[in-house]
Amino acid sequence: EVQLVESGGGLVQPGRSMKLSCAASGFTFSNYGMAWVRQAPTKGLEWVATISYDGSSTYYRDSVKGRFTISRDNAKSTLYLQMNSLRSEDTATYYCTRGLLQWGQGASVTVSS
Amino acid sequence: DIVMTQAPLSVSVTPGESASISCRSSKSLLHSNGITYVYWYLQKPGKSPQLLIYRMSNLASGVPDRFSGSGSETDFTLKISRVEAEDVGIYYCGQLLENPYTFGAGTKLELK
Repeated sequence: EVQLVESGGGLVQPGRSMKLSCAASGFTFSNYGMAWVRQAPTKGLEWVATISYDGSSTYYRDSVKGRFTISRDNAKSTLYLQMNSLRSEDTATYYCTRGLLQWGQGASVTVSS
Repeated sequence: DIVMTQAPLSVSVTPGESASISCRSSKSLLHSNGITYVYWYLQKPGKSPQLLIYRMSNLASGVPDRFSGSGSETDFTLKISRVEAEDVGIYYCGQLLENPYTFGAGTKLELK
């Protein structure tokens, strides 16, 4: 069974950094592209970033380019999202996904002073 | 960016009846490989989204065959036959043809 378990969320002040992790199991992690999708409170789904199976290619939505970095450690079957210069509009639940097909339970990030 | 427009934004259905949700894309989602990259998700209350339909008409593993997807290059439909209580939630269409991947605003399904 595919399992994606996010961690690292919480409350952070504007301008500060936070790193999310996603521990994957139940499949060969190194064979799949992975992505982060977020959902602001009471809002819809918003794709954030994608990384290829080997980490050689990454893609970001414009609003996070230069601030967020998606990465992976295939030896640890773990996906990461490093978020810098956080803004109030980054407040959301962040979902780790396997190619937008399987989804984790989400990690809540609140950016507030 | 490809805009995904869903309708209606909410629907109220009597258990046992059927429901249809429409989704329109601002650009063809038909790839040159013959695959149409539209996906349907259900987000049950308090839960993370789950995949229902992939590549327009393929039922995801474990999803009841009461769910079906159809469409053309830009117009898509999710049909739910014999709606049950467990089908309550918000349905999203999404396109995975090109970055940035985008989603519709969601359709809330409630029971009468």
